[in-house]
Formats: sequence, C-alpha cells, structure tokens
Amino acid sequence: SYVLTQPPSVSVAPGQTARVTCGGNNIGRKSVHWYQQKPGQAPLLVVYDDSDRPSEIPERFSGSNSGNTATLTISRVEAGDEADYFCQVWDNSSDHPNWVFGGGTKLTVL
Amino acid sequence: EVQLVESGGGLVQPGGSLRLSCAASGFTFSSYWMNWVRQAPGKGLEWVAIIKQDGSQKYYLDSVKGRFTISRDNAKNSLYLLMTSLRAEDTALYYCARVVTGNTGRPFDYWGQGTLVTVSS
Repeated sequence: SYVLTQPPSVSVAPGQTARVTCGGNNIGRKSVHWYQQKPGQAPLLVVYDDSDRPSEIPERFSGSNSGNTATLTISRVEAGDEADYFCQVWDNSSDHPNWVFGGGTKLTVL
Repeated sequence: EVQLVESGGGLVQPGGSLRLSCAASGFTFSSYWMNWVRQAPGKGLEWVAIIKQDGSQKYYLDSVKGRFTISRDNAKNSLYLLMTSLRAEDTALYYCARVVTGNTGRPFDYWGQGTLVTVSS
C-alpha cells in the first residue's frame, strides 16, 4: 500500500517561512491535498491539487509537488497557523483504491 | 450553509456493533461522494470508507473490510457506517466528509465535528 511520510514536527518563528514536506514514491505523479487541523476542530482543506487554494485560504499558503516530495509552504507565519498539517493522496494503483493520509506534522510557532 | 452532523457514537464492548449516522444539509446530498474518516485519540487521520453518489461503488480501508459497511439514504440526506466485530483499535473520533464535486480523487471540502467511538470492556 502507498505510504506518505511527514516529519512529526516543524518549528518556525513568527514572520518566517514554514515548509512541511510529504514524501511518497513518485508522489509527483499524484495530486496532493493538504489539511490544517487545530485542537478540537475538524480538518480544514488549505491546499488541493498540489498548489491550488480554496478561496477562503490566505495566499500565504502554497504548495508544490515534484519527484518524491510534496511541500506545503506557509509564508509570513502567524501564531494562528499553529496546528497539525496532513497531506493526502488518492491511491488507485491497485484493485483496492483508497485514500492515504500522511502521519501529520505539528507546526509550532515559536 | 453546508452542515454535516454525526451521531451514534458511544462505548461498546469488543466484538460489538455500532451504527453511525451523518445528517447532511445545505447542499444536494445525492450529488456528492461521501466518506468516513477516523482519528484515534492523539493520532493522525485515517480514511475508512467512501461511497459514490448513488451507492453503486464503495471502497474500504483494508483493516475494516468485511467488518464495516458504508451506506447512504439520499431521500433522507444521510450517510451511515455500520461497524461490526469492533476492536479496541477501532476506538476513534469518526468524521463524515464530503468530496468536492467530481470523481473519487477530489479533496474533502466539508467535514462534520465527529462522533466518538470507544471500544472497551
């Protein structure tokens, strides 16, 4: 089955740029979606199809995907960005298609 | 306003069964693929099952195949998850989530707040 690997944690100072990676075999050939989850809340879609943003998400959130790594980039990080971030892909490479989530990355704003 | 409201969670003994429901409103329920996603306490997200608009296609996480059944009633704008032969490792907050218009590979744009399932003796 397809596996997505994320670093458990990333720390960044306010105003700096945070990068959260998501590794997978040839992930660049798949569409990657990213979710933000704050404590006690449901996940929120922040980036889809590698680099598109829902209209309500600030431009500070962007994404890229190439080779074996997809990256969520958060520019000018704010305290309110502190959350868990999960990447997601649809794996239809077998006769048992399924959604796969990465293990999640906790973003800490110092 | 799109709303997804889960219910039916609770404490159940290992080997027991439970039926979760998700009431949808604010959109044309019959036009969307729908999912169940779970999150064990303090852990990450784990997709459980997905169902097509008309119920004709269903896919499951391998570890729940044969034990869980996803279904829907478009007349009642409701999504269901029948869980049988429950195990301790099924303990989690269960979310229902809507797929963005399109096919199975589209992201999830709306989520409920979840219903907690605890499997313990």
